[in-house]
This record gives sequence, C-alpha cells and structure tokens, in this order.
Amino acid sequence: DAGVIQSPRHEVTEMGQEVTLRCKPISGHDYLFWYRQTMMRGLELLIYFNNNVPIDDSGMPEDRFSAKMPNASFSTLKIQPSEPRDSAVYFCASSPGLAGFTKNIQYFGAGTRLSVL
Amino acid sequence: RKEVEQDPGPFNVPEGATVAFNCTYSNSASQSFFWYRQDCRKEPKLLMSVYSSGNEDGRFTAQLNRASQYISLLIRDSKLSDSATYLCVVNGRSQGNLIFGKGTKLSVKP
Repeated sequence: DAGVIQSPRHEVTEMGQEVTLRCKPISGHDYLFWYRQTMMRGLELLIYFNNNVPIDDSGMPEDRFSAKMPNASFSTLKIQPSEPRDSAVYFCASSPGLAGFTKNIQYFGAGTRLSVL
Repeated sequence: RKEVEQDPGPFNVPEGATVAFNCTYSNSASQSFFWYRQDCRKEPKLLMSVYSSGNEDGRFTAQLNRASQYISLLIRDSKLSDSATYLCVVNGRSQGNLIFGKGTKLSVKP
C-alpha cells in the first residue's frame, strides 16, 4: 500500500483565500484523523471520522474550518477564509481501529505545509 | 496542567551514550500509551507502544508508571540516526482521541 497520501505538499496563499487540503487514507482503514502542527502548540487533533462519519470535531478552531469525508478513500479539510495564523503543517492520519482500545496505530501522511501571507 | 508534558530538550549526546526521556500525563483513566518519532520536516511515525509491564525493542526500552502517571523511553548505545524528536502519546478523554506531547528533541553527535 502507498500509505496515507496528502495533497498538496506545500500551499502558499494570501489571506482571505480558500484553501482545500486533501487526504487519501490507507485502504481498509476505518478511521481518519486531521491534525495541525505548529511550534507553539505542537500536534493538535482537529477532527476525526469513523466510516466516513465525523465523530469528534471539538478541535476544529472555528467556523472557518470544515472537513468532509464523502467516501472511504477521500477526505478534505477546507479553510475559508484563510488567515496568517492558520499557517502550519496539516497532517492526515488513518487507523484500522481505535488506538485507545485495540492498540491499532495511526499512520500519518507526509503533511501539507500551509503558509498564509 | 497540560494533558501530556515532555521536556523539550534538546538533548545533545555523543554516539554510544544512553539517554532517557520522561513524559507525564494528566488523565488517570488513559489506557494506551505510545512513543512516536518525528524526523525534521517529516511525519510522526510509531516507535513503540508502551505496555504496563514495560517493553523492549532492541536498543529501546519503554516503561509505564501508572501511579505517578509518567512514561519513559530509554535509548541505549545511541546512533546518529536516532537524532529526531520523540513524541509521547496518550489516549485522550474522547474515544479515538490521541493526545501528543510537544516532543523531546534528541541530537546525537559523532
């Protein structure tokens, strides 16, 4: 398997523009996670899905952020409008089960490095 | 108190040294514990799970102390390739949620 695939790898945009990040999880994994990583706050969970259904979105910073998973092989994280403070590395991860109960691990994509000017 | 706390380092050690990292967590109900490794500008990758009785994987040993709510990682005979940031990870309060520490940076020098 190719692993978790994210696109684009890098995104530079101007404040106010819409940004869409994409993720293809590992085939057969039922869980998909979106994280954001910054130097100040470390790695933060934004939202996660189970079988394409959002389970916990309490980490989504505000209404400008939205995430969808229309099918088992694709998810998007959208920021509209983007702001400079959204600059970070955004990771997508997938897991066959819940690490808390089955000890299944999360596999991370290479990340999208977002810069909002 | 932060949910998962780690000494940020950096730990600068010579090749062959033994180095230990500690991590504390706040949720006494946590059941799953991991160490992830993250290389510079790369994604986090699982290094090892941490079991109640402690576990070893080659040069790496992980220990869990539930009473004190801390986790440790010991690296023996450190290699240049061990240079990375080591993230302590604990399952959170909601099902499926993993909480990552900010990581401890290790730099192994020749």
